[in-house]
Amino acid sequence: AQKVTQAQTEISVVEKEDVTLDCVYETRDTTYYLFWYKQPPSGELVFLIRRNSFDEQNEISGRYSWNFQKSTSSFNFTITASQVVDSAVYFCALRAAGNKLTFGGGTRVLVKP
Amino acid sequence: ETGVTQSPTHLIKTRGQQVTLRCSSQSGHNTVSWYQQALGQGPQFIFQYYREEENGRGNFPPRFSGLQFPNYSSELNVNALELDDSALYLCASSLEPNIQYFGAGTRLSVL
Repeated sequence: AQKVTQAQTEISVVEKEDVTLDCVYETRDTTYYLFWYKQPPSGELVFLIRRNSFDEQNEISGRYSWNFQKSTSSFNFTITASQVVDSAVYFCALRAAGNKLTFGGGTRVLVKP
Repeated sequence: ETGVTQSPTHLIKTRGQQVTLRCSSQSGHNTVSWYQQALGQGPQFIFQYYREEENGRGNFPPRFSGLQFPNYSSELNVNALELDDSALYLCASSLEPNIQYFGAGTRLSVL
């Protein structure tokens, strides 16, 4: 069985602060992919990043960065210098055997001006 | 813009009725997945179609059914609607085994 847990239900920050979202996953498969999606009030899930299980190198893409640690089954996501437009619900998702995405419960991020 | 479009955007039905939701995939994508997202929760996988064949199913009853057409567009049908079927229904297209791109969803209310 696959499971994704996002312990933080809501985070509130002031603009320009950094925001780190936690994600812990469970799977017995050795090959899997991890994702972060953003869901603004419009409802559309917007793809942000993907990582495969064989690549633990952490990267930075613009204001986004991620920290993938297989030893702790964590895939955390950071938004640097947050902006009001970053306000949304963020979902961590896992794709292992089979073709489905298993999502966490989401973390609502509120960035105040 | 993901190129995935869903219709209608909103729908109101009464318990026991049947509903059909539609999804137009991004050009060139041969796989479509459907998800149900209840209010305040993460999306739950319903099923996936690859080249017109069902290619995986989540824990949903048989009254949830689907179709994928030769142009890779898709339908989700739900029979005998129940109050708990009220949710946002999301369609995602992909060129397997790559990233799934989502539409804006259809919000279904069952009264």
